[in-house]
Amino acid sequence: KAGVTQTPRYLIKTRGQQVTLSCSPISGHRSVSWYQQTPGQGLQFLFEYFSETQRNKGNFPGRFSGRQFSNSRSEMNVSTLELGDSALYLCASSMGLAGFYNEQFFGPGTRLTVL
Amino acid sequence: DQQVKQNSPSLSVQEGRISILNCDYTNSMFDYFLWYKKYPAEGPTFLISISSIKDKNEDGRFTVFLNKSAKHLSLHIVPSQPGDSAVYFCAAPLYGGSQGNLIFGKGTKLSVKP
Repeated sequence: KAGVTQTPRYLIKTRGQQVTLSCSPISGHRSVSWYQQTPGQGLQFLFEYFSETQRNKGNFPGRFSGRQFSNSRSEMNVSTLELGDSALYLCASSMGLAGFYNEQFFGPGTRLTVL
Repeated sequence: DQQVKQNSPSLSVQEGRISILNCDYTNSMFDYFLWYKKYPAEGPTFLISISSIKDKNEDGRFTVFLNKSAKHLSLHIVPSQPGDSAVYFCAAPLYGGSQGNLIFGKGTKLSVKP
């Protein structure tokens, strides 16, 4: 079974621009979560989508947004990029079923550099 | 406020010896804990987990211990191998495991010397 895929793998943008990252979950997984990894803050939860609805949201400004499509693929968007947005953005998918822990499978990440 | 803390940024051990990675948490509502392993340029991969109703879970060379009264868990790797060199993250789901919102510690970089 194919794993979680993320595109692009690397991206360079300048301050003020916007960026869209894409995530394709494992087939059959309906939950997609996004995380930001930086050297100073570690891995931080951005938001989770389940069945095209945002189910949870972390503590990030409104410049960070996302969506999920009917095939469970997800995109996240960052508008008005700042230097501090330079990070590895990770996507994780899971079944998202209620009542027990659903293992999350991570993609390889998108490395975003903001100049 | 960090809800999951890994106070040792790095750890170096000799091949064949035991590696012990520690993790503390502050949120008493956490009822499930996980360890992830991460190599450079790859996403984290699940290693082992433990439910709060247990105090130990073993999987091959990896054992996780949970001390709920101290809000502390540890990952033991015995024997350590050079291929275990990676960053290890401790994590807990914030709203129960059905929802994908893991709270991670900042990680401990393990180096296993041959």
